[in-house]
Amino acid sequence: SQQGEEDPQALSIQEGENATMNCSYKTSINNLQWYRQNSGRGLVHLILIRSNEREKHSGRLRVTLDTSKKSSSLLITASRAADTASYFCATAPFSGGYNKLIFGAGTRLAVHP
Amino acid sequence: DGGITQSPKYLFRKEGQNVTLSCEQNLNHDAMYWYRQDPGQGLRLIYYSQIVNDFQKGDIAEGYSVSREKKESFPLTVTSAQKNPTAFYLCASSAGTGQSEQYFGPGTRLTVT
Repeated sequence: SQQGEEDPQALSIQEGENATMNCSYKTSINNLQWYRQNSGRGLVHLILIRSNEREKHSGRLRVTLDTSKKSSSLLITASRAADTASYFCATAPFSGGYNKLIFGAGTRLAVHP
Repeated sequence: DGGITQSPKYLFRKEGQNVTLSCEQNLNHDAMYWYRQDPGQGLRLIYYSQIVNDFQKGDIAEGYSVSREKKESFPLTVTSAQKNPTAFYLCASSAGTGQSEQYFGPGTRLTVT
């Protein structure tokens, strides 16, 4: 089952511009995480935001979470060509017992020099 | 260096053959996971293991099998019963539950013809 859905599917920007990606989900969550994947590689964890947090920063990354709208956004400021990758949100559903992460289909970001 | 290794990076097999993908971690993590990724899609959970000698089916376990005899190792066998085995396979581990940060290996691209 796919809970998180990223928007847009693809994003093309120039170096120095900001990139914003959105994630919507359907059920209550314990936390939401963002991962990055370079082409043909494994995923790298970027940031985790808990359900009782509204905003979190890490370097040039800013993540917001709106649990009332069941949505999150990832902002990359002053983008660089090296930021070119796919970005996935992963939700940790709130339910009893062991829970897993559910990944969306991702946003493909291309940053042009 | 601590991390997760997967081997081989590329694997080619004939239809009808079983194939085993290797995943090793030296992060001392209890939990390990196998995901499948198809082009333009998110990750789908195949199997996970929270502790040695225990594992659970994920969302798409049919045609796959796993073992967890050692904490460091979680091999995945793609059997001939898997109808569409060609995909990119990712192994991950986490220190906590399935909802904590996951660390990914570099992946194995399996092609079955």
